[in-house]
Amino acid sequence: NAGVTQTPKFRILKIGQSMTLQCAQDMNHNYMYWYRQDPGMGLKLIYYSVGAGITDKGEVPNGYNVSRSTTEDFPLRLELAAPSQTSVYFCATQLLSEGRNTIYFGEGSWLTVV
Amino acid sequence: GQQVMQIPQYQHVQEGEDFTTYCNSSTTLSNIQWYKQRPGGHPVFLIQLVKSGEVKKQKRLTFQFGEAKKNSSLHITATQTTDVGTYFCAGPDTGANSKLTFGKGITLSVRP
Repeated sequence: NAGVTQTPKFRILKIGQSMTLQCAQDMNHNYMYWYRQDPGMGLKLIYYSVGAGITDKGEVPNGYNVSRSTTEDFPLRLELAAPSQTSVYFCATQLLSEGRNTIYFGEGSWLTVV
Repeated sequence: GQQVMQIPQYQHVQEGEDFTTYCNSSTTLSNIQWYKQRPGGHPVFLIQLVKSGEVKKQKRLTFQFGEAKKNSSLHITATQTTDVGTYFCAGPDTGANSKLTFGKGITLSVRP
């Protein structure tokens, strides 16, 4: 059971380049999230989705875009990368059912913008 | 919106000492969860508390939900170097079936 799979694990981008962080889950969870975590800091919510076809902005959406065409996949797009986007990115899923709402995190994607 | 607060952000203890940290919410919570993130790792679910005053134990870790369901505590007895990491609390934004808001976390370091 793979759970939450993020790719790539590490990436170096040049300023102004674009890229997509992939996130796939095999748990059939309805909610999916993208967080970023700067060194020594907490988790900041970028975007989230409550189901296929529905996405919403989180706390820090600027510079990012997402889509949720299927239950399984929730890619995060970075357009015109900036040094401020250097961070660790975590994708996460959540099954909201019968009062249990545990979040499962992927292993993270380390992104450096130079 | 709802705020979940964890203060301080960092704490250093000597191995063998006890450690307690608190999580406070600006609103009453239907439940609260705790997560642990090891250095270089990803957050991992530890426990969920639902009932007012609930206490749950996991080996040397004791979790408590406040009577008013607006705060929670994590107590570690006789800390070990394996306890190093960042501990996050999280509560649902509104009802039980809503996305979670995370606290900023407390990073625990343990001196051997």
